[in-house]
Amino acid sequence: TQLLEQSPQFLSIQEGENLTVYCNSSSVFSSLQWYRQEPGEGPVLLVTVVTGGEVKKLKRLTFQFGDARKDSSLHITAAQPGDTGLYLCAGTRGSQGNLIFGKGTKLSVKP
Amino acid sequence: SQTIHQWPATLVQPVGSPLSLECTVEGTSNPNLYWYRQAAGRGLQLLFYSVGIGQISSEVPQNLSASRPQDRQFILSSKKLLLSDSGFYLCAWNVGRVALHFGNGTRLTVT
Repeated sequence: TQLLEQSPQFLSIQEGENLTVYCNSSSVFSSLQWYRQEPGEGPVLLVTVVTGGEVKKLKRLTFQFGDARKDSSLHITAAQPGDTGLYLCAGTRGSQGNLIFGKGTKLSVKP
Repeated sequence: SQTIHQWPATLVQPVGSPLSLECTVEGTSNPNLYWYRQAAGRGLQLLFYSVGIGQISSEVPQNLSASRPQDRQFILSSKKLLLSDSGFYLCAWNVGRVALHFGNGTRLTVT
């Protein structure tokens, strides 16, 4: 059983479109992180959210943590080819737990 | 600034041969160190983590082992590789149970 479910699994869009990817769980997380991974490289942290209902913005990327701290979303406005990559969410349960990763959403933005 | 080095970048090994992947971190003391494996469509699977020299915790029983001979050195080993050991191996570190910093990975192909 996958503790963190990410959807969609794959997404292919045209440059300039908006998109939202989701990270859902039936469990409560003390914090949740989003990473982006490009082929042949390790994941790179984009953001950490810790408070239920929290919204963080990183240029064209908007991250939201659900009120109940069980889910999160990532919205990209006016996607660009440079946004292409695998987007992974990862959550921590409690202060001492290791990160639990979702399987990721593979995004392709075509010019 | 902190950096993480992981090598080799790619490796092709025959079944039954030994394995040694090395990871070193610079610019920080007493980091938590992690080995992950990433298989296509299966997300990141935590293999081992270490909170200090000589301390290794295994998350899944398998053909692999890990060692931490120095504070900032983490080694992933196998005495006899299996075909199922093929994958993308990622080393990571953090301080406290917060965001992970990943190396660039090793692509292992067992033939």
